[in-house]
Amino acid sequence: EDQVTQSPEALRLQEGESSSLNCSYTVSGLRGLFWYRQDPGKGPEFLFTLYSAGEEKEKERLKATLTKKESFLHITAPKPEDSATYLCAVQGSGYALNFGKGTSLLVTP
Amino acid sequence: EAQVTQNPRYLITVTGKKLTVTCSQNMNHEYMSWYRQDPGLGLRQIYYSMNVEVTDKGDVPEGYKVSRKEKRNFPLILESPSPNQTSLYFCASSQGATYNEQFFGPGTRLTVL
Repeated sequence: EDQVTQSPEALRLQEGESSSLNCSYTVSGLRGLFWYRQDPGKGPEFLFTLYSAGEEKEKERLKATLTKKESFLHITAPKPEDSATYLCAVQGSGYALNFGKGTSLLVTP
Repeated sequence: EAQVTQNPRYLITVTGKKLTVTCSQNMNHEYMSWYRQDPGLGLRQIYYSMNVEVTDKGDVPEGYKVSRKEKRNFPLILESPSPNQTSLYFCASSQGATYNEQFFGPGTRLTVL
């Protein structure tokens, strides 16, 4: 059974204080690993898809990396508007998508 | 504007009263899916559909039905709602079943009394 574990559950950063969010996964036949951002009361918003170990993708202050067992979402010099819940999801050999419980990020000025 | 719409956005109902939550997308996407989101449990997939007339169970299908008669619509049916189905529901769609980003709707907050 596919499993996704995200850590930490919650993270508080000062503006400009870089950090990383972790997504550990077990899956049979990884089709893709996805990162989403979710603001309170809204639907998740797509950030990245990673397909194979060693792959990296960047978008503004965010950078996602992938190994065979985990993915990291690195946040460089975060701003208050980066505050949100970040969700990781994996798609294995089937077509279902399994989400982790998310990391709630708060960036204070 | 490319979007996924859900209706209603908020619904309070009573145990046993059948209800339908509609979902529609205007992006000609093949893959559509329903999720529920609960505190401490995260997003869990209920059902998904890879194309018209093709549906399959996700992690938590009990108590729900779906149908996919048209490509753009994917309604979620609760034949006899119970209080444990009180949740925030999201519909999502993507171009294909694999490798594609999913676009999420705004969510439907359902309360079953």
